[in-house]
Amino acid sequence: GQQVMQIPQYQHVQEGEDFTTYCNSSTTLSNIQWYKQRPGGHPVFLIQLVKSGEVKKQKRLTFQFGEAKKNSSLHITATQTTDVGTYFCAGPDTGRRALTFGSGTRLQVQP
Amino acid sequence: DSGVTQTPKHLITATGQRVTLRCSPRSGDLSVYWYQQSLDQGLQFLIQYYNGEERAKGNILERFSAQQFPDLHSELNLSSLELGDSALYFCASTPGSSYNSPLHFGNGTRLTVT
Repeated sequence: GQQVMQIPQYQHVQEGEDFTTYCNSSTTLSNIQWYKQRPGGHPVFLIQLVKSGEVKKQKRLTFQFGEAKKNSSLHITATQTTDVGTYFCAGPDTGRRALTFGSGTRLQVQP
Repeated sequence: DSGVTQTPKHLITATGQRVTLRCSPRSGDLSVYWYQQSLDQGLQFLIQYYNGEERAKGNILERFSAQQFPDLHSELNLSSLELGDSALYFCASTPGSSYNSPLHFGNGTRLTVT
């Protein structure tokens, strides 16, 4: 079945440093979604990318969808303590007809 | 606030027991999805209901079952509980049946099996 992998599993940065998480799918995706889960919270939808090579920005967050639509990245510029949490990518699994989530990248920001 | 309501927030029970988790979707949403989140398994899709009918099935054990009622709320029933069933159970909803739509998650139910 489809697999969605994320790296790194964990990253600890100093406040103000940049952060990037990478997502790779074993199959071509029709779209990719990103979610953020704060400690003790629930996943919250951030963005959906649909087009090959698409780049979208949300303030300090930049999301990219690869040309082959099999990988994606989330880059945070100048991290803040409010960025702490786990970031998940998710892609549709046409076999299961459901969204498959990556294992997530846990971001810790040292003030 | 996502608009998705899950009860209870916490549940502590013993092995072999049966529990029911409840979810009310956002107003107007017809699809309900159940996900299990454990430390070593991440977010695992269990099952989806759309307008009362089962739409898709994932890694749901035979000991688990779900249903969606005419008022669109959903219940996840877990029986013959084992220690390994301890996890966070999330419900999410979307307006339509498409699994390409962004999910709106509830706050989850934390199940502890002792």
